[in-house]
Amino acid sequence: DTEVTQTPKHLVMGMTNKKSLKCEQHMGHRAMYWYKQKAKKPPELMFVYSYEKLSINESVPSRFSPECPNSSLLNLHLHALQPEDSALYLCASSLQSNTEAFFGQGTRLTVV
Amino acid sequence: GENVEQHPSTLSVQEGDSAVIKCTYSDSASNYFPWYKQELGKRPQLIIDIRSNVGEKKDQRIAVTLNKTAKHFSLHITETQPEDSAVYFCAALARNTGFQKLVFGTGTRLLVSP
Repeated sequence: DTEVTQTPKHLVMGMTNKKSLKCEQHMGHRAMYWYKQKAKKPPELMFVYSYEKLSINESVPSRFSPECPNSSLLNLHLHALQPEDSALYLCASSLQSNTEAFFGQGTRLTVV
Repeated sequence: GENVEQHPSTLSVQEGDSAVIKCTYSDSASNYFPWYKQELGKRPQLIIDIRSNVGEKKDQRIAVTLNKTAKHFSLHITETQPEDSAVYFCAALARNTGFQKLVFGTGTRLLVSP
């Protein structure tokens, strides 16, 4: 399995909702990432997990809460989001933090 | 922290022409430079990468060059085809308080006309 799989592909949520994005890889990668990408912009790093521990939080608002239950799974819990949080959320993984990163297909999130 | 600049922001070429995209980085400690291709509505896909101990790397029609002294690296695509049309991002692996993270350039929209 050489894929990073993200679910759901699309998500529409209200500002009072709680939802979660999921990411899974079975390549034995020990670094996993969440990125946010707005239209016509580069991916913007949110969080990095290395060996299931949070190693980088790019000053992301607390309404985004990451979780790494095990070495294959990465979640992003969403609560009380704002319309400006609407974006493509990309998960990525790499063998180590200094090797090539592979992206999932993303979750397109719309906050209404 | 690391800053990556990318030029041009858009590039239009005729099929069969070559395309060159250039990036500069600010942190001399950065040592890994991948290039990603992102088609509309799809994920970024790694197309080629280079490490700081190498000056050039080639993979069929795609090549990347790195000048560590000048802190710039470039993507070269030869014999362009319409399916090369996409947004291309360069990136540099930067160190952040002991951990490494990718910093992306702003992207180049490449349009290859038949």
